Amino acid sequence: GQQLNQSPQSMFIQEGEDVSMNCTSSSIFNTWLWYKQDPGEGPVLLIALYKAGELTSNGRLTAQFGITRKDSFLNISASIPSDVGIYFCAGRMNGGSQGNLIFGKGTKLSVKP
Amino acid sequence: DGGITQSPKYLFRKEGQNVTLSCEQNLNHDAMYWYRQDPGQGLRLIYYSQIVNDFQKGDIAEGYSVSREKKESFPLTVTSAQKNPTAFYLCASREPGRNYGYTFGSGTRLTVV
Repeated sequence: GQQLNQSPQSMFIQEGEDVSMNCTSSSIFNTWLWYKQDPGEGPVLLIALYKAGELTSNGRLTAQFGITRKDSFLNISASIPSDVGIYFCAGRMNGGSQGNLIFGKGTKLSVKP
Repeated sequence: DGGITQSPKYLFRKEGQNVTLSCEQNLNHDAMYWYRQDPGQGLRLIYYSQIVNDFQKGDIAEGYSVSREKKESFPLTVTSAQKNPTAFYLCASREPGRNYGYTFGSGTRLTVV
């Protein structure tokens, strides 16, 4: 099945640093979603994007729906230790199969205090 | 509070045995999904169901079976035909309508001993 290209695969940063990650696809998407997964738990929705160019914030998190509709970005400002986890992008294609989401492989974030 | 409940959290199985993972939701969602998660592999779709008494194979359905006799329940059976069943299994559901994200359960970690 199709998967999104999510990068970087992992990040090791110092507390207080900003973080950027992105997802790209060869297909056009009409929905982009960003999830966070804590160790041993299920992913939790952080931000949902529905329009090309849309920029949405949730606290220290900001995500954007790329203008080409083939990519999305997530930024985390001033990281803290509880930001540790795996961040997944997910998208829904135009005319996609019954509304099912396609997931990236995740970005594993580690934060050093 | 509404949500998705997966049980058990940890499950041990002997080789050659079938085992069933439970997924129950009280969100009144129509669509439900099962994913398998391995380190570095992201989320891989096993089966999904858009409506009661109907389900479709995902990308890695071999060695798995499901049923959807009730809207609230979508159990997954890992059969002895699954060659490498040790993994973290996630169940999810989605609100009616095409544009919504998924709500995930907290997962079941299956270990074959």
